Amino acid sequence: DTEVTQTPKHLVMGMTNKKSLKCEQHMGHRAMYWYKQKAKKPPELMFVYSYEKLSINESVPSRFSPECPNSSLLNLHLHALQPEDSALYLCASSHLVYDYGYTFGSGTRLTVV
Amino acid sequence: GENVEQHPSTLSVQEGDSAVIKCTYSDSASNYFPWYKQELGKRPQLIIDIRSNVGEKKDQRIAVTLNKTAKHFSLHITETQPEDSAVYFCAADSYNTNAGKSTFGDGTTLTVKP
Repeated sequence: DTEVTQTPKHLVMGMTNKKSLKCEQHMGHRAMYWYKQKAKKPPELMFVYSYEKLSINESVPSRFSPECPNSSLLNLHLHALQPEDSALYLCASSHLVYDYGYTFGSGTRLTVV
Repeated sequence: GENVEQHPSTLSVQEGDSAVIKCTYSDSASNYFPWYKQELGKRPQLIIDIRSNVGEKKDQRIAVTLNKTAKHFSLHITETQPEDSAVYFCAADSYNTNAGKSTFGDGTTLTVKP
Protein backbone atom coordinates (compact mmCIF):
# COMPACT_ATOMS: atom_id res chain seq x y z
CA ASP A 1 0.00 0.00 0.00
CA THR A 2 1.62 3.25 -1.15
CA GLU A 3 -1.23 5.63 -0.44
CA VAL A 4 -2.49 8.06 2.11
CA THR A 5 -6.25 7.77 2.44
CA GLN A 6 -8.34 10.71 3.61
CA THR A 7 -12.02 10.74 4.52
CA PRO A 8 -14.38 12.32 3.84
CA LYS A 9 -13.54 13.73 0.41
CA HIS A 10 -16.02 16.57 0.81
CA LEU A 11 -17.51 18.11 3.95
CA VAL A 12 -19.98 20.93 4.45
CA MET A 13 -20.42 22.06 8.03
CA GLY A 14 -22.09 24.85 9.90
CA MET A 15 -20.21 27.15 12.23
CA THR A 16 -21.61 25.40 15.31
CA ASN A 17 -20.91 21.85 14.15
CA LYS A 18 -18.23 19.44 15.32
CA LYS A 19 -16.68 17.17 12.73
CA SER A 20 -13.50 15.18 12.22
CA LEU A 21 -11.22 14.57 9.28
CA LYS A 22 -9.45 11.23 9.08
CA CYS A 23 -6.17 10.18 7.51
CA GLU A 24 -4.65 6.71 7.27
CA GLN A 25 -1.41 5.29 5.87
CA HIS A 26 0.13 1.84 6.02
CA MET A 27 3.56 2.60 4.58
CA GLY A 28 5.33 2.57 7.95
CA HIS A 29 5.87 6.32 7.77
CA ARG A 30 6.59 7.82 11.18
CA ALA A 31 5.86 11.46 10.34
CA MET A 32 2.38 12.71 9.53
CA TYR A 33 1.26 16.20 8.64
CA TRP A 34 -1.80 18.35 8.23
CA TYR A 35 -1.67 21.06 5.57
CA LYS A 36 -4.30 23.58 4.54
CA GLN A 37 -4.49 24.71 0.91
CA LYS A 38 -6.51 27.59 -0.46
CA ALA A 39 -7.23 27.89 -4.17
CA LYS A 40 -4.18 28.82 -6.27
CA LYS A 41 -1.95 28.88 -3.17
CA PRO A 42 0.73 26.54 -1.83
CA PRO A 43 0.00 24.11 1.00
CA GLU A 44 0.33 25.79 4.38
CA LEU A 45 1.58 23.69 7.30
CA MET A 46 -0.70 23.26 10.31
CA PHE A 47 0.65 20.36 12.40
CA VAL A 48 3.45 17.81 12.36
CA TYR A 49 3.46 14.51 14.23
CA SER A 50 6.77 12.73 14.59
CA TYR A 51 6.67 9.21 16.08
CA GLU A 52 3.08 9.85 17.16
CA LYS A 53 4.00 12.96 19.14
CA LEU A 54 3.01 16.48 18.16
CA SER A 55 6.28 18.12 17.21
CA ILE A 56 5.15 21.25 15.36
CA ASN A 57 2.04 23.39 15.77
CA GLU A 58 2.14 26.37 13.47
CA SER A 59 0.09 28.59 15.78
CA VAL A 60 -3.14 27.11 14.50
CA PRO A 61 -6.37 28.33 16.21
CA SER A 62 -7.71 25.99 18.88
CA ARG A 63 -10.84 25.31 16.83
CA PHE A 64 -8.55 22.84 15.00
CA SER A 65 -7.45 19.96 17.23
CA PRO A 66 -5.15 17.22 15.90
CA GLU A 67 -4.90 13.68 17.22
CA CYS A 68 -2.58 10.80 16.37
CA PRO A 69 -4.05 7.62 17.93
CA ASN A 70 -1.35 5.37 16.45
CA SER A 71 1.38 5.31 13.83
CA SER A 72 -1.11 4.78 10.98
CA LEU A 73 -3.86 7.22 11.86
CA LEU A 74 -4.15 10.97 12.04
CA ASN A 75 -7.30 12.92 12.84
CA LEU A 76 -8.19 16.57 12.71
CA HIS A 77 -11.10 17.56 14.94
CA LEU A 78 -13.01 20.65 13.89
CA HIS A 79 -15.23 22.80 16.10
CA ALA A 80 -16.77 26.26 15.72
CA LEU A 81 -15.08 26.93 12.40
CA GLN A 82 -15.36 30.16 10.45
CA PRO A 83 -16.21 30.56 6.74
CA GLU A 84 -12.58 31.59 6.10
CA ASP A 85 -11.54 28.09 7.19
CA SER A 86 -13.06 26.71 4.00
CA ALA A 87 -10.18 25.08 2.10
CA LEU A 88 -8.66 21.81 0.97
CA TYR A 89 -7.17 19.99 3.97
CA LEU A 90 -4.31 17.73 2.98
CA CYS A 91 -2.79 14.99 5.07
CA ALA A 92 0.72 13.83 4.24
CA SER A 93 3.21 11.32 5.58
CA SER A 94 6.93 10.75 5.20
CA HIS A 95 9.39 8.02 6.13
CA LEU A 96 11.91 10.11 8.10
CA VAL A 97 14.79 7.64 7.94
CA TYR A 98 15.19 6.54 4.32
CA ASP A 99 13.65 9.47 2.52
CA TYR A 100 11.88 12.65 3.43
CA GLY A 101 9.47 13.33 0.59
CA TYR A 102 5.81 13.61 1.38
CA THR A 103 3.09 11.31 0.18
CA PHE A 104 -0.07 13.40 0.16
CA GLY A 105 -3.63 12.20 0.51
CA SER A 106 -6.29 13.41 -1.93
CA GLY A 107 -7.55 15.87 0.64
CA THR A 108 -10.86 16.83 2.20
CA ARG A 109 -12.55 19.80 0.60
CA LEU A 110 -14.16 21.62 3.51
CA THR A 111 -16.86 24.25 3.18
CA VAL A 112 -17.98 26.14 6.28
CA VAL A 113 -21.39 27.76 5.96
CA GLY B 1 11.96 30.99 9.60
CA GLU B 2 12.54 29.71 6.09
CA ASN B 3 11.35 31.76 3.12
CA VAL B 4 11.16 30.23 -0.37
CA GLU B 5 10.70 32.34 -3.48
CA GLN B 6 9.70 30.72 -6.76
CA HIS B 7 9.82 32.12 -10.30
CA PRO B 8 8.15 32.42 -12.69
CA SER B 9 4.57 32.25 -11.41
CA THR B 10 3.34 31.19 -14.86
CA LEU B 11 5.20 29.55 -17.72
CA SER B 12 3.91 28.64 -21.15
CA VAL B 13 5.97 26.53 -23.56
CA GLN B 14 5.45 24.65 -26.80
CA GLU B 15 5.40 20.88 -26.69
CA GLY B 16 8.95 19.59 -27.02
CA ASP B 17 10.57 22.69 -25.55
CA SER B 18 12.34 22.81 -22.19
CA ALA B 19 10.98 24.45 -19.06
CA VAL B 20 12.97 25.82 -16.14
CA ILE B 21 11.58 26.86 -12.77
CA LYS B 22 13.81 28.54 -10.18
CA CYS B 23 13.60 28.80 -6.40
CA THR B 24 15.66 30.56 -3.76
CA TYR B 25 15.67 29.86 -0.06
CA SER B 26 16.83 31.86 2.94
CA ASP B 27 17.74 29.39 5.70
CA SER B 28 21.23 27.93 5.33
CA ALA B 29 20.13 25.05 7.62
CA SER B 30 17.79 23.72 4.92
CA ASN B 31 19.16 20.46 3.58
CA TYR B 32 16.35 18.87 1.58
CA PHE B 33 14.64 20.30 -1.52
CA PRO B 34 11.66 18.47 -3.02
CA TRP B 35 9.56 19.39 -6.03
CA TYR B 36 5.85 18.59 -6.20
CA LYS B 37 3.50 18.53 -9.17
CA GLN B 38 -0.16 19.28 -8.60
CA GLU B 39 -2.62 18.72 -11.42
CA LEU B 40 -5.94 20.53 -11.29
CA GLY B 41 -8.15 19.11 -8.54
CA LYS B 42 -5.57 16.52 -7.48
CA ARG B 43 -3.09 16.01 -4.69
CA PRO B 44 0.50 17.30 -4.86
CA GLN B 45 2.85 14.50 -5.91
CA LEU B 46 6.58 14.34 -5.29
CA ILE B 47 8.37 14.23 -8.64
CA ILE B 48 12.01 14.69 -7.68
CA ASP B 49 14.07 15.79 -4.70
CA ILE B 50 17.66 16.65 -3.88
CA ARG B 51 19.66 16.72 -0.68
CA SER B 52 22.21 19.35 0.17
CA ASN B 53 25.20 17.05 -0.35
CA VAL B 54 24.32 16.64 -4.04
CA GLY B 55 24.60 19.24 -6.79
CA GLU B 56 22.41 17.67 -9.45
CA LYS B 57 19.93 14.84 -9.82
CA LYS B 58 18.22 13.52 -12.92
CA ASP B 59 15.22 11.28 -13.53
CA GLN B 60 14.40 10.77 -17.20
CA ARG B 61 13.14 14.16 -18.50
CA ILE B 62 13.33 15.87 -15.14
CA ALA B 63 16.43 17.24 -13.43
CA VAL B 64 17.08 19.38 -10.38
CA THR B 65 20.19 21.43 -9.65
CA LEU B 66 21.23 22.93 -6.33
CA ASN B 67 23.64 25.77 -5.62
CA LYS B 68 24.11 25.87 -1.85
CA THR B 69 26.37 28.91 -1.92
CA ALA B 70 23.80 31.00 -3.73
CA LYS B 71 20.90 29.26 -1.97
CA HIS B 72 19.01 28.47 -5.12
CA PHE B 73 17.74 25.37 -6.85
CA SER B 74 16.04 24.77 -10.15
CA LEU B 75 13.76 22.27 -11.87
CA HIS B 76 14.46 21.45 -15.51
CA ILE B 77 11.95 19.61 -17.67
CA THR B 78 13.09 18.62 -21.16
CA GLU B 79 10.97 17.54 -24.13
CA THR B 80 7.83 18.83 -22.47
CA GLN B 81 4.52 17.11 -23.12
CA PRO B 82 0.92 18.34 -22.61
CA GLU B 83 0.60 16.04 -19.59
CA ASP B 84 3.37 18.06 -17.90
CA SER B 85 0.85 20.92 -17.58
CA ALA B 86 0.27 21.46 -13.86
CA VAL B 87 1.26 23.64 -10.91
CA TYR B 88 4.78 22.91 -9.69
CA PHE B 89 5.83 23.71 -6.13
CA CYS B 90 9.37 23.79 -4.83
CA ALA B 91 10.01 23.37 -1.11
CA ALA B 92 12.84 23.58 1.38
CA ASP B 93 13.20 21.62 4.59
CA SER B 94 15.74 20.83 7.28
CA TYR B 95 15.79 17.27 8.51
CA ASN B 96 17.62 15.59 11.30
CA THR B 97 16.14 12.59 13.11
CA ASN B 98 12.75 14.18 13.47
CA ALA B 99 10.27 15.52 10.99
CA GLY B 100 10.99 18.91 9.61
CA LYS B 101 8.50 21.21 7.98
CA SER B 102 8.61 21.83 4.29
CA THR B 103 8.21 25.48 3.35
CA PHE B 104 6.66 25.75 -0.09
CA GLY B 105 7.21 28.29 -2.82
CA ASP B 106 4.13 29.98 -4.25
CA GLY B 107 3.98 27.67 -7.25
CA THR B 108 4.50 27.87 -11.02
CA THR B 109 1.63 27.15 -13.38
CA LEU B 110 3.17 25.38 -16.37
CA THR B 111 1.15 25.16 -19.58
CA VAL B 112 2.48 23.01 -22.40
CA LYS B 113 0.81 23.84 -25.71
CA PRO B 114 0.44 20.98 -28.21
